[in-house]
Amino acid sequence: DTGVSQNPRHKITKRGQNVTFRCDPISEHNRLYWYRQTLGQGPEFLTYFQNEAQLEKSRLLSDRFSAERPKGSFSTLEIQRTEQGDSAMYLCASSLGQEGYTFGSGTRLTVV
Amino acid sequence: EDQVTQSPEALRLQEGESSSLNCSYTVSGLRGLFWYRQDPGKGPEFLFTLYSAGEEKEKERLKATLTKKESFLHITAPKPEDSATYLCAVTNAGKSTFGDGTTLTVKP
Repeated sequence: DTGVSQNPRHKITKRGQNVTFRCDPISEHNRLYWYRQTLGQGPEFLTYFQNEAQLEKSRLLSDRFSAERPKGSFSTLEIQRTEQGDSAMYLCASSLGQEGYTFGSGTRLTVV
Repeated sequence: EDQVTQSPEALRLQEGESSSLNCSYTVSGLRGLFWYRQDPGKGPEFLFTLYSAGEEKEKERLKATLTKKESFLHITAPKPEDSATYLCAVTNAGKSTFGDGTTLTVKP
């Protein structure tokens, strides 16, 4: 197993465009998490799945953000109508139950 | 709402100069406290899980301890390769809530 894989590593998009990120977790892990991180800040929770069920979504997350995890395997995070404030590192992590997370290397989004 | 506060924000040490990082937390029903290391441009790397007050974990030059209100990450005789941001996180039944980290710089 090569760990948690995220694609793309970098994404530059124009304001108003839609973007989609992909995360492939460790296959044995049943939980998958999405976090967002800006410079100098800790990771901020966005949403998480247990198998294919989305169990929690941050109240701070606008309706422009949506995530899916079909069949409990890989996950996608879509941001519609991007804004400059969406520029950040988007981190995916997976875990087995409530053990410590294994993070991917992240997708850095720049909205211009 | 769960909260995590880490101090100091930044710490500069000379190689071999031991010190401690602090993580204060409030959480409704602690299921675990985690320490991670994060290098620039990379995702956090898991270091330790602590579950109950009084518990301690060690790995090389790092030792993590836990009380009912805070956790400490002790770094003994650090080396330049220990330079990184150290993140603390708490979890209840679901997600983890992270602090903003302590950025450690170890000068040779």
